[in-house]
Amino acid sequence: EAEVAQSPRYKITEKSQAVAFWCDPISGHATLYWYRQILGQGPELLVQFQDESVVDDSQLPKDRFSAERLKGVDSTLKIQPAELGDSAMYLCASSSQTGVHHEQYFGPGTRLTVT
Amino acid sequence: AQSVTQLGSHVSVSEGALVLLRCNYSSSVPPYLFWYVQYPNQGLQLLLKYTTGATLVKGINGFEAEFKKSETSFHLTKPSAHMSDAAEYFCAVGLSGNEKLTFGTGTRLTIIP
Repeated sequence: EAEVAQSPRYKITEKSQAVAFWCDPISGHATLYWYRQILGQGPELLVQFQDESVVDDSQLPKDRFSAERLKGVDSTLKIQPAELGDSAMYLCASSSQTGVHHEQYFGPGTRLTVT
Repeated sequence: AQSVTQLGSHVSVSEGALVLLRCNYSSSVPPYLFWYVQYPNQGLQLLLKYTTGATLVKGINGFEAEFKKSETSFHLTKPSAHMSDAAEYFCAVGLSGNEKLTFGTGTRLTIIP
């Protein structure tokens, strides 16, 4: 069964350092999402791509976060510089079609700890 | 704008007992409603969803949920709990024309042997 791949699974970094996460969606899925899940809370959408274009990045802290999906396939989320409050699980999801009623398939996530 | 409230951050039930996880939503238009499950250190997996049509929705692993518009609720149930049901459960709401899913804060389900 096809799955969303994410790496690394765990990342520990010092504050003010740069960190990057990678996501490979299910093959053929045009829509890709990045979520942040703070411990004890539900996922919060950071950015949504349709192919290589950003559809929604209204909740992305653009002063330090950036996301790209250059060829419309895999994607990278970057934080620079990392802050203590960025410690969270970063989840990637993909969907075969745009539209909130279509199932989103989630990857295992990257757990980030900022020290 | 939409929002979702999950009542009870922690729920414990005995193995074989009824599971009931509560979710209430707020939406200005007919919503799409979802339940996801998350096992430790894993991503979320869709249990079931309501879009249109039948208000009683059956999902995977024996779970079901009923959309009650009058009560703005979408509670998740399972007749008989199994040890493997121990996980975190998230209710989510989305609106047609708005691509964003809004998640609740989650309910951690513990199964007592």
